[in-house]
Amino acid sequence: LAKTTQPISMDSYEGQEVNITCSHNNIATNDYITWYQQFPSQGPRFIIQGYKTKVTNEVASLFIPADRKSSTLSLPRVSLSDTAVYYCLVGRYYGQNFVFGPGTRLSVLP
Amino acid sequence: NAGVTQTPKFRVLKTGQSMTLLCAQDMNHEYMYWYRQDPGMGLRLIHYSVGEGTTAKGEVPDGYNVSRLKKQNFLLGLESAAPSQTSVYFCASSPDRASYEQYFGPGTRLTVT
Repeated sequence: LAKTTQPISMDSYEGQEVNITCSHNNIATNDYITWYQQFPSQGPRFIIQGYKTKVTNEVASLFIPADRKSSTLSLPRVSLSDTAVYYCLVGRYYGQNFVFGPGTRLSVLP
Repeated sequence: NAGVTQTPKFRVLKTGQSMTLLCAQDMNHEYMYWYRQDPGMGLRLIHYSVGEGTTAKGEVPDGYNVSRLKKQNFLLGLESAAPSQTSVYFCASSPDRASYEQYFGPGTRLTVT
C-alpha cells in the first residue's frame, strides 16, 4: 500500500501559481499518481493523472521526478473558485488499497 | 447523461432504524463504490462492486451491507443505524477497477440520533 503525505493546508492569493507536493516513498512500479479536487458539499472530481515526467491538461499540470517518490500538482493563476480540498492518490486499482487520505485544503484569498 | 445520482440527499434516522441508500449510474460502468466522509477527513471505502451480482469489502465495511442486482444500481443498507454512522455518503463509478477516473455522486448526508 503506497502511503501518501500531503500538507494539511495551504493559502494562496488570486492570480498566483499554486504547487501542492505529495510524497509517496514506497510507490510501486505499476502505480499511477492521481489527483482529485473536492468542493464543499460535493463529491470529488478527477483533475489529472500521470505515471512519470509531466502531464498537462486544461486545468492543471502534474510533475513527477524520475524516482517517482513524490509528485507536484501545479495550478496556474488560481482564482477564488479553486478553493477546495485536493487529494493525491497512488495506486493501480481502485478498491481496498487505493485510498483517499485527508488531502490538502487550499484557500485562495482575494 | 445524469452521471451518478444518489437518493435521498438528506436523511435523519433514530438509533436502531434501518434504511437503504440508492446509487444509480447511466454510464454503463462496471465498477461502483460506496464511501463515507466524516468532517475534516478524507473518504473511506465501505464496499465496492466489480460487476453485476458481485460485491467486496472496503476499508470500513462493518455495519453496512450492499447489493448490486442491476449493473446500473448499487444499494447501501444500514440494518441497525448507530450514531457513529452519521456521515456523508458518496457513491462513485468507474469503467474498470484500474486507476482511471472515478465519477462521484452528489452525496447523501445521514444523521443518526
